[in-house]
Amino acid sequence: AQSVTQPDIHITVSEGASLELRCNYSYGATPYLFWYVQSPGQGLQLLLKYFSGDTLVQGIKGFEAEFKRSQSSFNLRKPSVHWSDAAEYFCAVGPGEGTSYDKVIFGPGTSLSVIP
Amino acid sequence: KAGVTQTPRYLIKTRGQQVTLSCSPISGHRSVSWYQQTPGQGLQFLFEYFSETQRNKGNFPGRFSGRQFSNSRSEMNVSTLELGDSALYLCASEVGQGTETQYFGPGTRLLVL
Repeated sequence: AQSVTQPDIHITVSEGASLELRCNYSYGATPYLFWYVQSPGQGLQLLLKYFSGDTLVQGIKGFEAEFKRSQSSFNLRKPSVHWSDAAEYFCAVGPGEGTSYDKVIFGPGTSLSVIP
Repeated sequence: KAGVTQTPRYLIKTRGQQVTLSCSPISGHRSVSWYQQTPGQGLQFLFEYFSETQRNKGNFPGRFSGRQFSNSRSEMNVSTLELGDSALYLCASEVGQGTETQYFGPGTRLLVL
């Protein structure tokens, strides 16, 4: 069955510290991969996506993510966190080429708090 | 380009009533998906419409329905509202040609009393 897990429900980091949010998936094939961010009461904003090619993907707001096929992971990183990064982060997988699946599946989310 | 718009932004209803939510996708996007977001269940897929046809459906009861118009605007309807239907309803649009990049609207927050 297709699934997305984000092992960390909540993470707290100090401003200026580095950040890594974990995402693992089970999809049966190489899917398309996404990270979204959601501020309180708002919709989701796309941070970055991976379809193919270079496994290290750069996104907006200084975020990057690395696709590791052997680990079925797509972890999100940021070298220096800003207080405005406090939000909910969602990893999502979508049907890649050659798959028979047709839905985008979201992980449960990781809530990030930033200590000034 | 204007983003995805959803109306209304906030809504209060009572049990047993019905509600209709609207979503206008990004210009040129032909696919609209609807999600329900609650603290307990997270983001759950409701359905997807493409070119006025329902292309996919999640595991929700028949009280939840939707449609899409020729201009790609979409509506979702929930009949006989229950307290558990209180949620943030998010609409996402995508081109629909297999890019699978969804762009989300701000959502409609529905409170059922």
